[in-house]
Amino acid sequence: GEEVAQTPKHLVRGEGQKAKLYCAPIKGHSYVFWYQQVLKNEFKFLISFQNENVFDETGMPKERFSAKCLPNSPCSLEIQATKLEDSAVYFCASSQSASATNEKLFFGSGTQLSVL
Amino acid sequence: GNSVTQMEGPVTLSEEAFLTINCTYTATGYPSLFWYVQYPGEGLQLLLKATKADDKGSNKGFEATYRKETTSFHLEKGSVQVSDSAVYFCALSDPGNTPLVFGKGTRLSVIA
Repeated sequence: GEEVAQTPKHLVRGEGQKAKLYCAPIKGHSYVFWYQQVLKNEFKFLISFQNENVFDETGMPKERFSAKCLPNSPCSLEIQATKLEDSAVYFCASSQSASATNEKLFFGSGTQLSVL
Repeated sequence: GNSVTQMEGPVTLSEEAFLTINCTYTATGYPSLFWYVQYPGEGLQLLLKATKADDKGSNKGFEATYRKETTSFHLEKGSVQVSDSAVYFCALSDPGNTPLVFGKGTRLSVIA
């Protein structure tokens, strides 16, 4: 498709429940990025993929968070045993390159996760 | 590590007023600099970028100049419109394949 599609738009979970977010990148884009936007607007990089391989996971929390990009499927970000502080908007972006300098990054509209 | 500092908002302006949103950065290398805009309920969109010192990025009447001597990339627009109301993010990316580092965003509200 011509846009990065994220589903669902909104997700509500009780503390301790699992949350799974999906992202379909733009067709032809090899790189997928996940960012977390917390209350005060701050964007935090989580993880990036080159096709189905993890490219950079330096921002990924070591516990409870995992992500995958499998062939012919949307990419996913999963949070096991959600906590209140996981409440945020999670943005996915895709690009033809890992370098934002060289290729434009296209963002989806985000998934608002609310943990109650 | 790399970081971006931008002026705290919110900024409220009347239509046709002059806009400046300050942005300074700290980087170990020689980064590329960006301004992204987020309209309500949407993801980020690239507004403009500059990849080397003294470059000026411009788009939709907005402009920003890469100032290496002051490590700054201030966003300006001569005459804002109501439709410019959004959150603006300054960002940097080191050379190579490092992810974007964002500032905390500045909310702009333009009133008619």
